Parts: sequence; structure tokens; C-alpha cells
Amino acid sequence: SQTIHQWPATLVQPVGSPLSLECTVEGTSNPNLYWYRQAAGRGLQLLFYSVGIGQISSEVPQNLSASRPQDRQFILSSKKLLLSDSGFYLCAWTRTFEAFFGQGTRLTVV
Amino acid sequence: AQSVAQPEDQVNVAEGNPLTVKCTYSVSGNPYLFWYVQYPNRGLQFLLKYITGDNLVKGSYGFEAEFNKSQTSFHLKKPSALVSDSALYFCAVRDGGYNQGGKLIFGQGTELSVKP
Repeated sequence: SQTIHQWPATLVQPVGSPLSLECTVEGTSNPNLYWYRQAAGRGLQLLFYSVGIGQISSEVPQNLSASRPQDRQFILSSKKLLLSDSGFYLCAWTRTFEAFFGQGTRLTVV
Repeated sequence: AQSVAQPEDQVNVAEGNPLTVKCTYSVSGNPYLFWYVQYPNRGLQFLLKYITGDNLVKGSYGFEAEFNKSQTSFHLKKPSALVSDSALYFCAVRDGGYNQGGKLIFGQGTELSVKP
């Protein structure tokens, strides 16, 4: 069966510090991969998606970047965090129609 | 662009009563529609999807959804609510084919509260 791992679960970082969030998927190959952010409240904003290794599409220009160095690995990064980067970050994958989500990373920038 | 709307921020239901969480969609072409549930500080869990076929779709945990093309709706339903159903529910539509990313676009969510 397929599983998705996302870490860390929580993170507190100072403004201006770098960020690296990692997501890996097991039990499938060549999935589409996604990063979403859920700000305080509830809305889910799609940040990046990838249809293959090294292929990244950005939905919203901002202080973040994404990379896919391996087929089942998706990384969300920032060189310098802003207060506005705080939120709940969710990684997801799909091979057909529905997407499956990781457990999320709660990022607080202080 | 594809979009979904959830007109209710919150739905309150008594345990044992039927529940409905509403969703309307706006798409070009055939819609691929989904429902997800989120518990506090957790990721989203897939409940059910409509791709084609029967308008009544059955999913996990006793939930079902009715696809109505004329009303462009995809409402989530359950015949008898449980207190444990209390959570945040999201409707979503797929934007683009799989090779174009197959992105899910989400509604704003509806908080379901089931009281004993």
C-alpha cells in the first residue's frame, strides 16, 4: 500500500532563517506531487505541483520554492522566512484522480 | 477556471439526525469532484469522488454525495450523524488532466458540529 511521510510535524523558526520541509511517498512510482498551505482559518492554497523529477510548477509567486530531486521526494524551501510564511503545510500525491495527504507541518515564524 | 463553493461556514446537527454539507461547482467540461475531511491539526482524508456514472456516490464512514448536473451541486450527506463526524469538510474539483498536474482546487471548508 502507499504511504506518504511528511516531517517535521511542528517547526518554530525565526524570521530570516531558512526552511526545508520534506515529503516522501512510498509504494508508488511517478506520482504527481503537491504542496498546499492552510493559513489560519481553513482555506487551502496550492503552492507548487510536480508531474516529474525536476519539473516544478508554481501557483503563487512568493517567498518559497520547491524541488523534486527524486521521483518520490518533494521538498519545500525558503532562503529567508517571513512572518507571513506561518501556516500549516500539507504535501499530497496522486496517481489517478483523488489525492492523498500527509499529516502536515505546523510552521510558526517568530 | 474551475472552482467550488461551500456556502455554509458551519453546519450544526444533532446526533442521529441526517446531515448535509453543501457544495456547488463551476467547471468547463466534465467535473471531477471530491470530498475530504480534516480533523484538528491533521492532514486531509479522502471520503469520496465523482468521476462519471451514478449520480449517488458512496464513500467512507457511511458518507455519500449526490451529483446534480442541472444544479451544479455535489452535496455531502449522511443518514445518521455521529458526534465523531464533527470536523472540517472540504469539497474539491480537479483542474486539468493528470499529465497537466491534475490539481485539486478546494472550497473554503465547512465546519460540521454534531451535538449529542
